[in-house]
Amino acid sequence: RKEVEQDPGPFNVPEGATVAFNCTYSNSASQSFFWYRQDCRKEPKLLMSVYSSGNEDGRFTAQLNRASQYISLLIRDSKLSDSATYLCVVNIDYKLSFGAGTTVTVRA
Amino acid sequence: NAGVTQTPKFQVLKTGQSMTLQCAQDMNHNSMYWYRQDPGMGLRLIYYSASEGTTDKGEVPNGYNVSRLNKREFSLRLESAAPSQTSVYFCASSDRITSNQPQHFGDGTRLSIL
Repeated sequence: RKEVEQDPGPFNVPEGATVAFNCTYSNSASQSFFWYRQDCRKEPKLLMSVYSSGNEDGRFTAQLNRASQYISLLIRDSKLSDSATYLCVVNIDYKLSFGAGTTVTVRA
Repeated sequence: NAGVTQTPKFQVLKTGQSMTLQCAQDMNHNSMYWYRQDPGMGLRLIYYSASEGTTDKGEVPNGYNVSRLNKREFSLRLESAAPSQTSVYFCASSDRITSNQPQHFGDGTRLSIL
């Protein structure tokens, strides 16, 4: 079983729509959580950390559910520039474990 | 501010050849990492260096060696390249290897083994 699993998508949404997706992790001892963004096989870039109480960064909202071992990302008012692959990342014993990514395509 | 710099960006090798991928960071980070990324899979950790002078195996270390040359530089060596090592390789760094530190990535080396 993979340590981090994501729905690969793609999620095709019109501009202005809301899109949300989850990832699940298998190790209950996971210590911290992140969402990274990756464009066209370029380098991953940190989008946001995910905190236990949930957190927002502009149009992006991240939630953590430790009991069910999943993390979610919600994007409001989608922009064309949000088209990317979103990587769910879990810190286990000080090493990052990456999901394979969820692809989001925002169309005009 | 360059961040994390990887060289080369592209490389084609023949089976059995050797090569070294170079990585340097200018953020004064203590910890550095090498990953590989294959289609349909998440990034997988090959080796990491928690601090200057230390290196440890990650999830997929077989066929690779690393050297933490100094605080700035962390190289990855393929001694005898195999087609299964065709991949995109990313180097990353973080301030230190604690649970809440995000990692900063270089822009990758695309390696093909024929």
